[in-house]
Amino acid sequence: EAGVAQSPRYKIIEKRQSVAFWCNPISGHATLYWYQQILGQGPKLLIQFQNNGVVDDSQLPKDRFSAERLKGVDSTLKIQPAKLEDSAVYLCASSSAVGVNEQFFGPGTRLTVL
Amino acid sequence: GENVEQHPSTLSVQEGDSAVIKCTYSDSASNYFPWYKQELGKRPQLIIDIRSNVGEKKDQRIAVTLNKTAKHFSLHITETQPEDSAVYFCAASWRNQGGKLIFGQGTELSVKP
Repeated sequence: EAGVAQSPRYKIIEKRQSVAFWCNPISGHATLYWYQQILGQGPKLLIQFQNNGVVDDSQLPKDRFSAERLKGVDSTLKIQPAKLEDSAVYLCASSSAVGVNEQFFGPGTRLTVL
Repeated sequence: GENVEQHPSTLSVQEGDSAVIKCTYSDSASNYFPWYKQELGKRPQLIIDIRSNVGEKKDQRIAVTLNKTAKHFSLHITETQPEDSAVYFCAASWRNQGGKLIFGQGTELSVKP
C-alpha cells in the first residue's frame, strides 16, 4: 500500500511570510496527525483529526498556525506569519482510527525560516 | 502533565555488542509504547511496540520490556550492526487521549565497525 505523502519536502522562507504544507494519509486511514520536530528533539503533536473533525489541537499555536481536513482525506497546515523558531520538520502521520495506536509517518517537510 | 524521559541521549557501542535505551513515563494510564528509528533526513519508522498487558516482546535482534509498576520501558538491541546507527525515539500513548503519541527526546546510537 502507498504510504503517507507530504509536499513540499523542503521550504525556505523569510520571517513574517506565509507557508502551507500538504499531507495525504494512507488510504482509508481516518485519523491524521501533524507533528513538529525541532532539530535534536522528538516530534511534538500539533493537531489531530478524526475524519474532518479536530480531536486535539491543544498544542497548536492558534495565533499563527491553522490546519484543515475539509473532506476527511488530505490535510493542509498553514503558518502565517512565520517566526524564526518555526524552523523544524513538519511530519504528518496517520492511523486507521482514533485510539488505534500504530501511526505511520510521512517523509516530512523541512522548513527553514530566515 | 504527560511526559516521557529518555536516556541516554547518545550511545556508542562496538559492532556485535548490545545496546539498551531506557524511557520513563509519567501517566500510569498509558497503554501503548512504540519505538521508532529515524535515520538522518528520513521519516520515523516503527520498529517494535508493546502494550500495557504484555511485559516483554521480541522481534529478531530487538526486544522491548515494560515495567508498569515502575513506569518504565526499555529497548534492547543485540548483536548490533553499523546499519543500526540512527536516532531512536520512545513514545507513550493512551487510548482515552485519542491515540496521540508523546515522544522522548531521542537517543543517537552509533555502532562502530
